[in-house]
Amino acid sequence: KAGVTQTPRYLIKTRGQQVTLSCSPISGHRSVSWYQQTPGQGLQFLFEYFSETQRNKGNFPGRFSGRQFSNSRSEMNVSTLELGDSALYLCASSLEGQGEGEKLFFGSGTQLSVL
Amino acid sequence: SQQGEEDPQALSIQEGENATMNCSYKTSINNLQWYRQNSGRGLVHLILIRSNEREKHSGRLRVTLDTSKKSSSLLITASRAADTASYFCAVDSSYKLIFGSGTRLLVRP
Repeated sequence: KAGVTQTPRYLIKTRGQQVTLSCSPISGHRSVSWYQQTPGQGLQFLFEYFSETQRNKGNFPGRFSGRQFSNSRSEMNVSTLELGDSALYLCASSLEGQGEGEKLFFGSGTQLSVL
Repeated sequence: SQQGEEDPQALSIQEGENATMNCSYKTSINNLQWYRQNSGRGLVHLILIRSNEREKHSGRLRVTLDTSKKSSSLLITASRAADTASYFCAVDSSYKLIFGSGTRLLVRP
């Protein structure tokens, strides 16, 4: 069974641009969660999607958005990039989602650098 | 703010020694999980302990949970150089898995 796949692996953007990151969950998993990881703030929860609906959201500005498609693949978009958005963005999938007592399966992440 | 906070932030031990990491949290939880991350890659699930459990084992890993003190510990016995990684606790509360800041473990050969 293939694991969680995130693309691209690395991304370099400039301030003010927007970016879209992609995540393909493990086959059969309906929940996709996104996390931002930085050295200073650690792992911060962005949002969770389940069956194409955002089920939970962290404390990030509206510049961070996401969506989930009918095949459970998910995309995350960041508009008007700021230097502080430089981070490793991690996607994780599970069968029934957070709060159901399940473990998360993580992808390798997308390393975003904003110049 | 972080729900789980690990202690210590960094730990350096000799191969063969035991490593203990602690995690404290603030609210009631459904379960607590431990994950491992190698060098900026994705996290790998290690073990899950439910709020009504006190101790759990998996291979060389032993996790304890004290809900009265809102704390958990992860013990890695007979450590190996390959155990070098960052270890995170994650608290399952309010339908969100919130991660702590992590403990960086270095196992010296």
